[in-house]
Amino acid sequence: QKEVEQNSGPLSVPEGAIASLNCTYSDRGSQSFFWYRQYSGKSPELIMSIYSNGDKEDGRFTAQLNKASQYVSLLIRDSQPSDSATYLCAGASGGSYIPTFGRGTSLIVHP
Amino acid sequence: EAGVAQSPRYKIIEKRQSVAFWCNPISGHATLYWYQQILGQGPKLLIQFQNNGVVDDSQLPKDRFSAERLKGVDSTLKIQPAKLEDSAVYLCASSFGQGAFFGQGTRLTVV
Repeated sequence: QKEVEQNSGPLSVPEGAIASLNCTYSDRGSQSFFWYRQYSGKSPELIMSIYSNGDKEDGRFTAQLNKASQYVSLLIRDSQPSDSATYLCAGASGGSYIPTFGRGTSLIVHP
Repeated sequence: EAGVAQSPRYKIIEKRQSVAFWCNPISGHATLYWYQQILGQGPKLLIQFQNNGVVDDSQLPKDRFSAERLKGVDSTLKIQPAKLEDSAVYLCASSFGQGAFFGQGTRLTVV
């Protein structure tokens, strides 16, 4: 059973701080990882993908992957109230590319 | 570029009735997914199509759910008969390569 685990939160950070969201996965065959942002009542929106060990930066977002530890994280720098949402982590195996989702972490950025 | 289109946006039915959802993926995307998202949980894959062939339907409750993707483009997901526990948001997503892009979803309420 492929599982992706996330702390449901909520994670509360002040505006301007760094928000750190974490995810672990059970399937060692997973090769692709994705972070989605989901606002309340809306559908998930792809914000980051990462395929190799290390860091990947895109604007205020940095995704980190450690395959040895089966750990994925998302850092959001200079957090804004508009970043308040649920962040979903997903992993996909090399052959199927079928994303398996965690339950998501609720992030609250307060002014 | 147009996104993934889904209809209807909302549907309320009585238990034991049938319902159908429609999805039109992003043009050129060969892979199409149907996910079920229950409130407070991450999306759960129901079925994945590659063109008009089924790649994975292992989590589709086949006694009541069915899906098809004629001509490798549009797709429909049907539930017959519906149960109370089918109340959820049904999300269609498509991809070309890796990373899935979601439609707005259909919120189903079974009463």
